Amino acid sequence: SQKIEQNSEALNIQEGKTATLTCNYTNYSPAYLQWYRQDPGRGPVFLLLIRENEKEKRKERLKVTFDTTLKQSLFHITASQPADSATYLCALQRSNSGYALNFGKGTSLLVTP
Amino acid sequence: GAVVSQHPSRVICKSGTSVKIECRSLDFQATTMFWYRQFPKKSLMLMATSNEGSKATYEQGVEKDKFLINHASLTLSTLTVTSAHPEDSSFYICSATVGTLRTEAFFGQGTRLTVV
Repeated sequence: SQKIEQNSEALNIQEGKTATLTCNYTNYSPAYLQWYRQDPGRGPVFLLLIRENEKEKRKERLKVTFDTTLKQSLFHITASQPADSATYLCALQRSNSGYALNFGKGTSLLVTP
Repeated sequence: GAVVSQHPSRVICKSGTSVKIECRSLDFQATTMFWYRQFPKKSLMLMATSNEGSKATYEQGVEKDKFLINHASLTLSTLTVTSAHPEDSSFYICSATVGTLRTEAFFGQGTRLTVV
C-alpha cells in the first residue's frame, strides 16, 4: 500500500538554527512532491512543489530536496524563527483521484527564542 | 494566490441533526473540489471529490448517504453531514486546485464540527 512517512511527530529547535524535516514514501512514482504548512485549527497552506527532475528547490529561507532513488524529500528552514512554528505536511498526488492529495501525518515544529 | 473560503469555521450540533458546510472559490472557478477530514494528530484523509454538475466520487469507507455533497456551481461545493453522531466530530477541510497543471491546492480555513 502507499505510505507517506514524516520523521518524528515533533521537532524542537532554537531560533536561528536550521530545521530539517524528512518525508519518505513507498509505492509512489510521483511526478512531483509538495510541502504544506498547517497552523492549529487552520487549513494547510502551500509552500513548495518540487518535480521529479529537480534535485533542489529554494524559496526564501526554505529549501526542499527530492531524491527519487531514496524515495525521500528533505525540507529545510534556515535561520528559523518562532513564527515558523507550525506543522509541516508532505503531500503526493493520489493515483486514482484526479488532483487530490495524500498527506503524511506531519511534523510539528517548535522554534524557541 | 487563489482563495478558498469555508464556512462555518466552527459548529456544534446535537446528535441526529444535520450540518451543512460551504466551500467557495472566491476568485476562480473550480470544476472539482475535494473534501478532507482530519482527526487530532492524524493526517488529512480524502473523503470525496466534488464534481460540478455531476455526482461526487467517494472514497472507500465513506458513506455517501451520510456525507452529502452538492456542487451546483463552479464556485460552491457543500458538504452536509446528515444524522450526525459524536464520532463524526472532526475537522473538515475543502480544497481546490488551479492552473493548467492543477498542481497546487488551495485549502479553506476548515470547519471544526462537534456533535454533542
